[in-house]
Amino acid sequence: SQTIHQWPATLVQPVGSPLSLECTVEGTSNPNLYWYRQAAGRGLQLLFYSVGIGQISSEVPQNLSASRPQDRQFILSSKKLLLSDSGFYLCAWTVAGGYNEQFFGPGTRLTVL
Amino acid sequence: QKEVEQNSGPLSVPEGAIASLNCTYSDRGSQSFFWYRQYSGKSPELIMFIYSNGDKEDGRFTAQLNKASQYVSLLIRDSQPSDSATYLCAVHNYGQNFVFGPGTRLSVLP
Repeated sequence: SQTIHQWPATLVQPVGSPLSLECTVEGTSNPNLYWYRQAAGRGLQLLFYSVGIGQISSEVPQNLSASRPQDRQFILSSKKLLLSDSGFYLCAWTVAGGYNEQFFGPGTRLTVL
Repeated sequence: QKEVEQNSGPLSVPEGAIASLNCTYSDRGSQSFFWYRQYSGKSPELIMFIYSNGDKEDGRFTAQLNKASQYVSLLIRDSQPSDSATYLCAVHNYGQNFVFGPGTRLSVLP
């Protein structure tokens, strides 16, 4: 069965510090991968998605970036965090193509102080 | 811009009652529809999906889809306090990204 991992689970970082969040998927090959952010009491905002290694599409211009160095690894990064980057970061995957459902990882709660 | 709308709630129902959650979407080409449950502080969990017009039942949950009206709903029978959560509606069009609604907060009162 497929499993999606995210780490760390929680993170408190000062403004201006760098960020690296990691997501890995097990039990599937060539998944579509997604990064979402959910601000407190808000809906899901799609940040990035990837259909393959090295292929990244950005939905919202901001100070975040994403990379996919391996088929089942997706990384979210920032060089300098802003207060507005605080939120609940969710990685998700789907089987490439078709109507397949999307599954979420456990999430990383980021607080920028 | 493709949109998915939900009543933010909270929707309060007594234990044992039927909870009815509604969702409308703007993209007429949407082909698959999903309901997620999100407990406070947790990630969304897929509970139902539906692709064809009509009803789909899974245990206490029934998803209903009406593509002509661009409307999808989720019924929860015999509601339990453990069903208290935010329910997210998501819509997908082939080859495009998922679009999520803002969620409806459901409170089941003992």
